Amino acid sequence: KNQVEQSPQSLIILEGKNCTLQCNYTVSPFSNLRWYKQDTGRGPVSLTIMTFSENTKSNGRYTATLDADTKQSSLHITASQLSDSASYICVVIAYGQNFVFGPGTRLSVLP
Amino acid sequence: GAGVSQTPSNKVTEKGKYVELRCDPISGHTALYWYRQSLGQGPEFLIYFQGTGAADDSGLPNDRFFAVRPEGSVSTLKIQRTERGDSAVYLCASSLRAVDLPGTGGANEQFFGPGTRLTVL
Repeated sequence: KNQVEQSPQSLIILEGKNCTLQCNYTVSPFSNLRWYKQDTGRGPVSLTIMTFSENTKSNGRYTATLDADTKQSSLHITASQLSDSASYICVVIAYGQNFVFGPGTRLSVLP
Repeated sequence: GAGVSQTPSNKVTEKGKYVELRCDPISGHTALYWYRQSLGQGPEFLIYFQGTGAADDSGLPNDRFFAVRPEGSVSTLKIQRTERGDSAVYLCASSLRAVDLPGTGGANEQFFGPGTRLTVL
């Protein structure tokens, strides 16, 4: 069964700290993996897109990693800001337009 | 506007009524997607259009749900005989091409609209 799991479910950190969010998946045939940021009441916004051959991709303070062998991905946020408070959703796309969304990690950054 | 727009932003209806939700994708985007998101959950895929045709409607929960995209741009999601369980945020997204197009590395970015919050009383 195609499935995406994310951990932790929620996370609270202090402003300026780093954090890492995890995504494990069982999706095939794998096409690409995406991380989205979703602010409350808004649509998701793409952070990174990684294909099978990519191990790391950065977007500003966000760095995503992908281990296709273990089917794991992580999203690392450096020097967190209050505006980073949001849900972070891992999405794995299989060929054939099969979208499998994770439940998201709710991040709260406190001053 | 340059982004994906959805109307209405909020819709409250009574159980059993018919509703239509509209999505205006980014101009020139051939692929359009509808998702449903319940509170505290990730989005759930409903249907995908490539041009005017529904390339994959496997995510539609039942035959009360239907979507059209007659001219390959604006799309309407239609829900008949609404039920309380239909209450959710309905998200629309578009991309220049299919997000998993073989040979491109699947790197086509998907842009989401703000969603329509549907409440069925």
